[in-house]
Amino acid sequence: GAVVSQHPSWVICKSGTSVKIECRSLDFQATTMFWYRQFPKQSLMLMATSNEGSKATYEQGVEKDKFLINHASLTLSTLTVTSAHPEDSSFYICSAPNTDRALEAFFGQGTRLTVV
Amino acid sequence: GDSVTQMEGPVTLSEEAFLTINCTYTATGYPSLFWYVQYPGEGLQLLLKATKADDKGSNKGFEATYRKETTSFHLEKGSVQVSDSAVYFCALRGSGNQFYFGTGTSLTVIP
Repeated sequence: GAVVSQHPSWVICKSGTSVKIECRSLDFQATTMFWYRQFPKQSLMLMATSNEGSKATYEQGVEKDKFLINHASLTLSTLTVTSAHPEDSSFYICSAPNTDRALEAFFGQGTRLTVV
Repeated sequence: GDSVTQMEGPVTLSEEAFLTINCTYTATGYPSLFWYVQYPGEGLQLLLKATKADDKGSNKGFEATYRKETTSFHLEKGSVQVSDSAVYFCALRGSGNQFYFGTGTSLTVIP
């Protein structure tokens, strides 16, 4: 079946540095991808919608200058956490809608980011 | 707005015990409802879904029924196995294809 691959699965970085997370659709094209964030013991919260060939759409309260999203091709979306701080430490996960059966979505493995 | 409220865990059960994880939702209209499962080190996988009221989704012995009157989609399994140990997420699909998730419930099944 269709697979969404997310990389890296975990990363530790120093405060002030930037971290890039990749999300790839392996055997299908995704014009839209979604980025979620999960704090401990909380829901996965939608951060932004990544659109191929156009600007991402950010949810209210999400800083677009801090969380840069690029959807450069039909199989790749990237999330860059810029000037990371410890409060950015979280679990980030991407997803792509199943275009064959529009009800479902495929999810990446998630990325555990720790900023020290 | 749309939201999902899910029973908090963690839940620890003995093998062959009965499992229920409660899930209720708030949404405009009639959303599609899902249960996703995440095994250690893996991504979210669709477990089952229901697209309209009174639909029952089922897979791998798990079941959930879309109850419009109680806005619920509780997950059940009659006899859990060690291999069912995972985190379970209840979710609904919004009108824009985005998903709204519950907090996730960690299940550990002990032999």
